[in-house]
Amino acid sequence: KAGVTQTPRYLIKTRGQQVTLSCSPISGHRSVSWYQQTPGQGLQFLFEYFSETQRNKGNFPGRFSGRQFSNSRSEMNVSTLELGDSALYLCASSLDGQGTTFFGQGTRLTVV
Amino acid sequence: DAKTTQPPSMDCAEGRAANLPCNHSTISGNEYVYWYRQIHSQGPQYIIHGLKNNETNEMASLIITEDRKSSTLILPHATLRDTAVYYCIVLMNYGGSQGNLIFGKGTKLSVKP
Repeated sequence: KAGVTQTPRYLIKTRGQQVTLSCSPISGHRSVSWYQQTPGQGLQFLFEYFSETQRNKGNFPGRFSGRQFSNSRSEMNVSTLELGDSALYLCASSLDGQGTTFFGQGTRLTVV
Repeated sequence: DAKTTQPPSMDCAEGRAANLPCNHSTISGNEYVYWYRQIHSQGPQYIIHGLKNNETNEMASLIITEDRKSSTLILPHATLRDTAVYYCIVLMNYGGSQGNLIFGKGTKLSVKP
């Protein structure tokens, strides 16, 4: 069974640009969550989607958004990128929010 | 804030057992203890979880005290590849989203030859 797949693995963007990251959950998993990891703040929860609806949201500005498709695949978007958005962005999936959560390898975003 | 307290770092000799402690004194009756680890720059990897009984799988054992206020993750024969940051997390395992995992700073385990 394939794990959580995130694309791309690495990305370099310029301040002010926007970026879209993609996540394919484990087959059969309907809950997809996104996390941001930085050296200063550690791992922080961004949002969670279940059945194409955002069910939980962390304390991040509106520049961070996401969506989930009918096949449970998810994308997150960051608009008007700032240097501080440089981070490892992690996607995680679980069956339905109940049970063990599995993480992808992350997308390393660098904003210059 | 994370509901757990872990030592910031630990060392372990290769081949020996690594015992990683976690305090969760405010855990409620319906909260599970989960352990994840993160090898440098990779995504966190699920290790094991439990409610009140001790648990064992192919990766590790989890010992939860009777009052459930603390637990210990045991890696029976640590290898260099077990060098990672280990996170202990408590959360409910039912009823809606489990998506909001709250990670503390974890324990950086260094396995030395």
